[in-house]
Amino acid sequence: AQKITQTQPGMFVQEKEAVTLDCTYDTSDPSYGLFWYKQPSSGEMIFLIYQGSYDQQNATEGRYSLNFQKARKSANLVISASQLGDSAMYFCAMRLMTISGGSNYKLTFGKGTLLTVNP
Amino acid sequence: ETGVTQTPRHLVMGMTNKKSLKCEQHLGHNAMYWYKQSAKKPLELMFVYSLEERVENNSVPSRFSPECPNSSHLFLHLHTLQPEDSALYLCASSHSPPRGLRNQPQHFGDGTRLSIL
Repeated sequence: AQKITQTQPGMFVQEKEAVTLDCTYDTSDPSYGLFWYKQPSSGEMIFLIYQGSYDQQNATEGRYSLNFQKARKSANLVISASQLGDSAMYFCAMRLMTISGGSNYKLTFGKGTLLTVNP
Repeated sequence: ETGVTQTPRHLVMGMTNKKSLKCEQHLGHNAMYWYKQSAKKPLELMFVYSLEERVENNSVPSRFSPECPNSSHLFLHLHTLQPEDSALYLCASSHSPPRGLRNQPQHFGDGTRLSIL
């Protein structure tokens, strides 16, 4: 069964600095996708960035980039130039990409990291 | 404005009540999901509907009953809930079926915060 581990319950960063949020995953399936979501205190889960297991380059999306190290099974999120509005819970998630079965649909989430951006 | 709308945002109910949570998506997706988010636990997938058929049911107690009348609407009917059912219930939608390695993120609503007295 797949598993996502986020070892940092909480992180602090100064405004305008970069921060890395850790994520490791465990699966024996060779085809999978990795997602990062942001959850502000309002509750909505906001999709940030995606990395496919066969993607050759690290994903980037504005100030978000994903440091994908497949051999280590890690998919860390890097937020550059932090802003006060970045304060939120951040979740790493994985979905298997097998053709058959319900596993296509299931997103497995980590427990999340609470990021606080200080002015 | 989110493409996935959940109502109500907050719900307080007694253990003997019957209530329903509603989810509506305006993204043209045809798969919809219910998740439960409890304090200090990862999100738990409860139900998945694809093309209005249930494709996944993760051993959820029968006091939770989903309904998907069409690809845009999803309900979660609640009856005789327990205090441990207090949580944030999140609805999501995506394109279906999510085959291959294409990026097909699930888009979430704001959630319904449920409190059982």
